[in-house]
Amino acid sequence: NAGVMQNPRHLVRRRGQEARLRCSPMKGHSHVYWYRQLPEEGLKFMVYLQKENIIDESGMPKERFSAEFPKEGPSILRIQQVVRGDSAAYFCASSRPNESGEKLFFGSGTQLSVL
Amino acid sequence: SQQGEEDPQALSIQEGENATMNCSYKTSINNLQWYRQNSGRGLVHLILIRSNEREKHSGRLRVTLDTSKKSSSLLITASRAADTASYFCATGGAGNMLTFGGGTRLMVKP
Repeated sequence: NAGVMQNPRHLVRRRGQEARLRCSPMKGHSHVYWYRQLPEEGLKFMVYLQKENIIDESGMPKERFSAEFPKEGPSILRIQQVVRGDSAAYFCASSRPNESGEKLFFGSGTQLSVL
Repeated sequence: SQQGEEDPQALSIQEGENATMNCSYKTSINNLQWYRQNSGRGLVHLILIRSNEREKHSGRLRVTLDTSKKSSSLLITASRAADTASYFCATGGAGNMLTFGGGTRLMVKP
């Protein structure tokens, strides 16, 4: 039973390019969460999605950031026109339908570096 | 600002000693959880305590929760070098997402 899978593990982009981060939740999990972590800091909530629905995007920057979790395929966090301040580790987590807000299972993260 | 704030930010102890980390939060919660993160890796769930519980044990871990003081503590007994990691508390409230604190970086020296 594979855990939460994130790819790529490391992503390097130049300023102005687009970054696409992928997350496949654990089998049987239909809730996905994205968090961002800066060095030596905690995780900051970005967005919570269920299949084909954005439930809570209160932590998403208003511009350039978007997320989706289609009926088929992984969840995607998309950052357009990246800037140096977007450099961070982005973690995806998933939970069972009846355990939202409870135990989360995390992926290993994508380290985004913007040159 | 973060819902949970851990104290201390960093802790260095010798192997075999106990490590105590504290977490304070601001709003009402349904549960409080502790996670561990090894450098460069994702978080791993350690233990969950509900708002109507006061203490919970799991192996060498002991968690307490005081809702009147809006605080929790994580005790790791008989620490090992392999316990070296960052430890985060996270609170679950009315919404479905968890809010994480800034973490305690624990170093256990062999």
